[in-house]
Amino acid sequence: AQSVTQPDIHITVSEGASLELRCNYSYGATPYLFWYVQSPGQGLQLLLKYFSGDTLVQGIKGFEAEFKRSQSSFNLRKPSVHWSDAAEYFCAAHNTNAGKSTFGDGTTLTVKP
Amino acid sequence: ETGVTQSPTHLIKTRGQQVTLRCSSQSGHNTVSWYQQALGQGPQFIFQYYREEENGRGNFPPRFSGLQFPNYSSELNVNALELDDSALYLCASSPSGGVTDTQYFGPGTRLTVL
Repeated sequence: AQSVTQPDIHITVSEGASLELRCNYSYGATPYLFWYVQSPGQGLQLLLKYFSGDTLVQGIKGFEAEFKRSQSSFNLRKPSVHWSDAAEYFCAAHNTNAGKSTFGDGTTLTVKP
Repeated sequence: ETGVTQSPTHLIKTRGQQVTLRCSSQSGHNTVSWYQQALGQGPQFIFQYYREEENGRGNFPPRFSGLQFPNYSSELNVNALELDDSALYLCASSPSGGVTDTQYFGPGTRLTVL
């Protein structure tokens, strides 16, 4: 069965520190991959997406993600975290249709001052 | 360009009742998907509509049904509510539901079933 796993339920980092959120997928073929952010009371906002080509993709708000086929991973990174980055982050994948995505269970990011 | 909107924001129902949730897609978006997000979990795909026809369904029973209208609005109907239906319901629209489309999510409707 197709699945997306986010191993870290909760991560706490200090403001200004670097961040890496992990995502692993299990699909028959390489899926299309996404990272979304969800703030309280708001819907999901797309941070970045990977379809093909360069395995390092840049997104909004200074985020980037690297696709590693050998590890079935698509980890999200940011070199310097801001307090406003505190939110829940979801990795998602699909291989047929963007509207039928499979999501991980999310990682909650807390930023310490 | 207006975003995706959903109504109501919050809703409380009792077990066995029926509920209708509404979504207004971005203008020009022919595809709408509905997701259920239980507390502490990621969104789960319920179904998708493309040009007013159901275009795929996730692992949800038939008591979850939907409609899509020509004016880019849509509905999610849930009959015979169960306690486990308590969740945040998200709709997302996209231009054509294609492989490389971007989904635009609404803020969700929080449904509580007592």
